[in-house]
Amino acid sequence: NAGVTQTPKFQVLKTGQSMTLQCAQDMNHEYMSWYRQDPGMGLRLIHYSVGAGITDQGEVPNGYNVSRSTTEDFPLRLLSAAPSQTSVYFCASSYDSYEQYFGPGTRLTVT
Amino acid sequence: GENVEQHPSTLSVQEGDSAVIKCTYSDSASNYFPWYKQELGKGPQLIIDIRSNVGEKKDQRIAVTLNKTAKHFSLHITETQPEDSAVYFCAAGKWKNYGQNFVFGPGTRLSVLP
Repeated sequence: NAGVTQTPKFQVLKTGQSMTLQCAQDMNHEYMSWYRQDPGMGLRLIHYSVGAGITDQGEVPNGYNVSRSTTEDFPLRLLSAAPSQTSVYFCASSYDSYEQYFGPGTRLTVT
Repeated sequence: GENVEQHPSTLSVQEGDSAVIKCTYSDSASNYFPWYKQELGKGPQLIIDIRSNVGEKKDQRIAVTLNKTAKHFSLHITETQPEDSAVYFCAAGKWKNYGQNFVFGPGTRLSVLP
């Protein structure tokens, strides 16, 4: 069981570039979420999904897109990166949306 | 919206002593309160949680208490060990549309000195 995996571990983007952060889980969890973590702040929910084809916005969704075509994968897309999106991004999965399992994170820098 | 405050922001204790971290939340509809431990360079890991119909929960050296009237909950770690050194986050969860949505506190950096 690999749990929750995220790629890449590190990424540097220029302003305006686009990219996709990958997240996969092998626990057959329906619930998956994306958070960002900024210094001195807790994790903030960006988007979440409750199964293939069903997504919803979290606290800070602007600038991010998601879709979910399979139970295993939940990619996060940045269409036009901005310096304000410099952060550490965590993906999490859960069987019932309560107990969450987090991935190791992706550290993103936008210059 | 929900706001979660967490104190203290940093905490240093001697090995073997107890550590207490406190959180307050604002939304009375919140009904699930997990605590996460995050070690350097890793993702958060759930260490204990409590639901709103329970006042206290214990798991070996870790316990959580909840006071719904006062809207605060606390993490208690007894007999601290150096490997307890990490950043601890509390969170308040509320059902929204399809599942639990969480608001996290800003974190407490715990250092256990040998």
